[in-house]
Amino acid sequence: QVQLVQSGAVVKKPGASVKVSCKTSGYTFTDYYIHWVRQAPGQGLEWMGWISPNSGGTNYAQKFQGRVTMTRDTSISTAYMELSRLRSADTALYYCAREGGGDVYGDSRPLDYWGQGTLVTVSS
Amino acid sequence: DIQMTQSPSSLSASVGDRVTITCRASQTINTYLHWFQQKPGKAPKLLIYAASNLQSGIPSRFSGSGSGTDFTLTISSLQPEDFATYYCQQTYSIPWTFGQGTKVEIK
Repeated sequence: QVQLVQSGAVVKKPGASVKVSCKTSGYTFTDYYIHWVRQAPGQGLEWMGWISPNSGGTNYAQKFQGRVTMTRDTSISTAYMELSRLRSADTALYYCAREGGGDVYGDSRPLDYWGQGTLVTVSS
Repeated sequence: DIQMTQSPSSLSASVGDRVTITCRASQTINTYLHWFQQKPGKAPKLLIYAASNLQSGIPSRFSGSGSGTDFTLTISSLQPEDFATYYCQQTYSIPWTFGQGTKVEIK
């Protein structure tokens, strides 16, 4: 079965960086894009960007350009999201999610499997 | 960026009620619209993809409709496990954007 398992909660100081991992299993890692979505406490969902595990290509939301880096390690089927220059407004639950494939969903690109979320707290 | 506006922001309903949530896009998004359910402390779950297609394993009481800018999620007979927050999301253009959410509470 498809699973995305994320790293544990972390506390960081303002100005620091954080790197969250997303280990996948149950499917061919390089066949599906991985997206990152965050949710501030009590707030809605915010899309951050995607990475192609096959090519390593990325596409980031403009809001995060220059601060976010998405990478992957195909040998261990794991994607990473690093966010730098953290501020208190970055305190949130960070999710990785798999983009569904065209064989099932055509070109509509829904996020069909999600990780459990990683809480990143930014506090001095 | 495409703005997604859901209404209502919250609603109270009883078990067995028919519930309708609407989502409006600030510009046309064809049918690149998906619905998610999120329960407290859990990741979002895909319910409906491409506006009207039921995700595998989702009960048939959930349905979606619409195209262009106006979309609807309907729960035909609300069940106790359906009390949650619902989000729409567009994947028509980058950045992908979500509605603000609709919280469905017990009356």
